[in-house]
Amino acid sequence: NAGVMQNPRHLVRRRGQEARLRCSPMKGHSHVYWYRQLPEEGLKFMVYLQKENIIDESGMPKERFSAEFPKEGPSILRIQQVVRGDSAAYFCASSPGGGALHEQFFGPGTRLTVL
Amino acid sequence: QQQVKQSPQSLIVQKGGISIINCAYENTAFDYFPWYQQFPGKGPALLIAIRPDVSEKKEGRFTISFNKSAKQFSLHIMDSQPGDSATYFCAARQFGGNKLVFGAGTILRVKS
Repeated sequence: NAGVMQNPRHLVRRRGQEARLRCSPMKGHSHVYWYRQLPEEGLKFMVYLQKENIIDESGMPKERFSAEFPKEGPSILRIQQVVRGDSAAYFCASSPGGGALHEQFFGPGTRLTVL
Repeated sequence: QQQVKQSPQSLIVQKGGISIINCAYENTAFDYFPWYQQFPGKGPALLIAIRPDVSEKKEGRFTISFNKSAKQFSLHIMDSQPGDSATYFCAARQFGGNKLVFGAGTILRVKS
């Protein structure tokens, strides 16, 4: 049973380009969470999605960032017009359900470097 | 209110010693407190978790101690091994909530 898969593992973009990060949840999981980890900091919640729905985006920057989890295919975190401050590790987690009863399983992360 | 404060930032322990990492929180609505272990280049993996209705939980060499009145919880690693060298994060989740609030992390190095 494969774990949470994220790709690419490493992504280099120049300022102003777009970054697309993909997350395939564990089999049977329909809930996805995105977190961002800045260097030498803990993970910060960004967004929580279920299939075709954004449930909580309270941690998402107001501009340039968007997320989706379509009925088919992986969840996508999209960053438009990247800036150097977007350089970070982006982790996706999945769970079989939401709320307090379910553990979140993390993927290996995508390390984004903005030149 | 949403913060979880973790200390120390880094820790060096001799093989066989006890590693202790502490966390404190303010939000009394938190009701789930997990600890994650992260190796370089990997995602965090759940190590052990506790809910506030118990004061201690032990799994193998790993123990969480929880002090509800002080709003503090700690991770103890007994008989620390070089393979335990990693970054450890405490976290908290609000009752009925979904997002985890993480501490800043502790880099543990166990010297052989």
